[in-house]
Amino acid sequence: GQQLNQSPQSMFIQEGEDVSMNCTSSSIFNTWLWYKQDPGEGPVLLIALYKAGELTSNGRLTAQFGITRKDSFLNISASIPSDVGIYFCAGRLNDMRFGAGTRLTVKP
Amino acid sequence: GAGVSQSPSNKVTEKGKDVELRCDPISGHTALYWYRQSLGQGLEFLIYFQGNSAPDKSGLPSDRFSAERTGGSVSTLTIQRTQQEDSAVYLCASSPRQNTEAFFGQGTRLTVV
Repeated sequence: GQQLNQSPQSMFIQEGEDVSMNCTSSSIFNTWLWYKQDPGEGPVLLIALYKAGELTSNGRLTAQFGITRKDSFLNISASIPSDVGIYFCAGRLNDMRFGAGTRLTVKP
Repeated sequence: GAGVSQSPSNKVTEKGKDVELRCDPISGHTALYWYRQSLGQGLEFLIYFQGNSAPDKSGLPSDRFSAERTGGSVSTLTIQRTQQEDSAVYLCASSPRQNTEAFFGQGTRLTVV
């Protein structure tokens, strides 16, 4: 089946720092999605990417759909305490598969 | 409704009992997905529907798990003869069509005692 490798597993950063996380796969996808999950909640969509090479921003978030269609990254600039949570990448080719998540901790 | 709705939000059941979890997708969304999330873990794909049919059932952990979708809308995930290892949060998502953005419900937290 499709395997998504997400890294890093966890990050501990200082408020104001930038963050970068990525996902790679041996399979190609038509869509890459990035989600954030807070404790006790369902994942919330942050950014959707539909074309290889696409670079999309949403406020302090920037994500890119890799040119090979097998990878994607998410950057968060100038982190703030409410960025704390678990970030998941997801690749879509009919169904939707998820990476294992990156747990982000932001120290004030 | 405005978003994906799942019910119940919490379910405690005794080992060996059957449970039924419900997902109401966003109106008009043709694709629907079920995932299982154990504590502190990622999202394990279970099954997805395109309309009423399920092209891929490979993620269902055992034959105790089944899912159906009727009228291209509501879906139910049924777990028969529940075991303690079935305890997890079961998440449902829907999307307008394949390969577009998908939106999640709040999940059903299942505890098997």
